[in-house]
Amino acid sequence: QSALTQPRSVSGSPGQSVTISCTGTSSDVGAYNYVSWYQQHPGQAPKLMIYDVSKRPSGVPDRFSGSKSGNTASLTISGLQAEDEADYYCCSYAGSYTYVLFGGGTKLTVL
Amino acid sequence: QVQLQESGPGLVKPSETLSLTCSVSGGSISSSFWCWIRQPPGKGLEWIGFIYHTGSTDYNPSLKSRVTISVDTSKNQFSLKLSSVTVADTAVYYCARRPSGTTGWFDPWGQGTLVTVSS
Repeated sequence: QSALTQPRSVSGSPGQSVTISCTGTSSDVGAYNYVSWYQQHPGQAPKLMIYDVSKRPSGVPDRFSGSKSGNTASLTISGLQAEDEADYYCCSYAGSYTYVLFGGGTKLTVL
Repeated sequence: QVQLQESGPGLVKPSETLSLTCSVSGGSISSSFWCWIRQPPGKGLEWIGFIYHTGSTDYNPSLKSRVTISVDTSKNQFSLKLSSVTVADTAVYYCARRPSGTTGWFDPWGQGTLVTVSS
């Protein structure tokens, strides 16, 4: 199966909101409510930001929110801050054979 | 708070076997699923596989013929072996936890270790 599709880059000014999309198929994103999002700063390990489509782990600001419609999941970051500049990856459960697929990653630039 | 740390050679020759170990601290390995994920330079993430403390495993179908993941509960460690490596296996290799009772997400992750395949 192919990786999930994300835009290569998005940008926004401090205080604004941005949304990153993650498009899959009816066999992964569309079939299960098991989409997660990870933030990765350069040279660092990925950090879990959203799981089960819209749940936030303890310690993740409520500026980060997740949603899903059909085969597309979205991560929205409101009130952009400079430290939000990073790469973001989506991940979806894809059944017991494949287990999970990741997106190709989106670079968020805070202008 | 669970922490993970990868260790192993940073350089492997083509056709040889890549071997990495992940040490788990701050919690017992006898719970959760323990995973390996890799990221080629400048590219996205790829799930390699996971193991439960009982030894039950699941692997990415595209790598299954070359991957072995094992666990040593006495040392609170788990390991990855990837055989017959090529330059395409050059990547940062991460170990991560998949909590029991959950599906499809990983937390926390180790810092990652770069493995270069080159003669």
